[in-house]
Amino acid sequence: GQQVMQIPQYQHVQEGEDFTTYCNSSTTLSNIQWYKQRPGGHPVFLIQLVKSGEVKKQKRLTFQFGEAKKNSSLHITATQTTDVGTYFCAGAFGGSQGNLIFGKGTKLSVKP
Amino acid sequence: KAGVTQTPRYLIKTRGQQVTLSCSPISGHRSVSWYQQTPGQGLQFLFEYFSETQRNKGNFPGRFSGRQFSNSRSEMNVSTLELGDSALYLCASSRLDSSYEQYFGPGTRLTVT
Repeated sequence: GQQVMQIPQYQHVQEGEDFTTYCNSSTTLSNIQWYKQRPGGHPVFLIQLVKSGEVKKQKRLTFQFGEAKKNSSLHITATQTTDVGTYFCAGAFGGSQGNLIFGKGTKLSVKP
Repeated sequence: KAGVTQTPRYLIKTRGQQVTLSCSPISGHRSVSWYQQTPGQGLQFLFEYFSETQRNKGNFPGRFSGRQFSNSRSEMNVSTLELGDSALYLCASSRLDSSYEQYFGPGTRLTVT
């Protein structure tokens, strides 16, 4: 079945360091979405990427969609303690009835 | 605009019982999806409803079922509960279908003893 692989599973960084999580699919995606879940909370939508090679920025967060639309990354510059949480990518595989397949997530902890 | 609401927030049930969870989507959203979240398996898709019809179904046994009402509110039911059904059940609504950005509710924490 369709799968979205996400690495790493955990990442521990010192405040101020950069962080990157990667997502990969074996088949072409129609779009990829990123969500953040704070401890004890629910996933919150961050961004959606649709076009091949697309790059979007939100303050210190940079999102990229690969040229083949099979991989994506989220990069956080100069992490802060407020960035703590689990970051999920979710791939949509197209068709008339889409549903999202979520990666297992990358849990980010930031040491002050 | 009010967010997605889920009731109840917490539930404790015994093995063999059944449970019904409720979800009210954001006003105007027609698609409601359900997910099961556990530490080991992450976020797993259960099913999606759109205009009272199930459009997609994940790889879960028939004990898991759902429905959607004409006002887009949705319920999911789990019959003959097993210990492994203990999880956070999340409902998410989206404007058209689940390939669009989804807005999640706070979830229902189900514990099966």
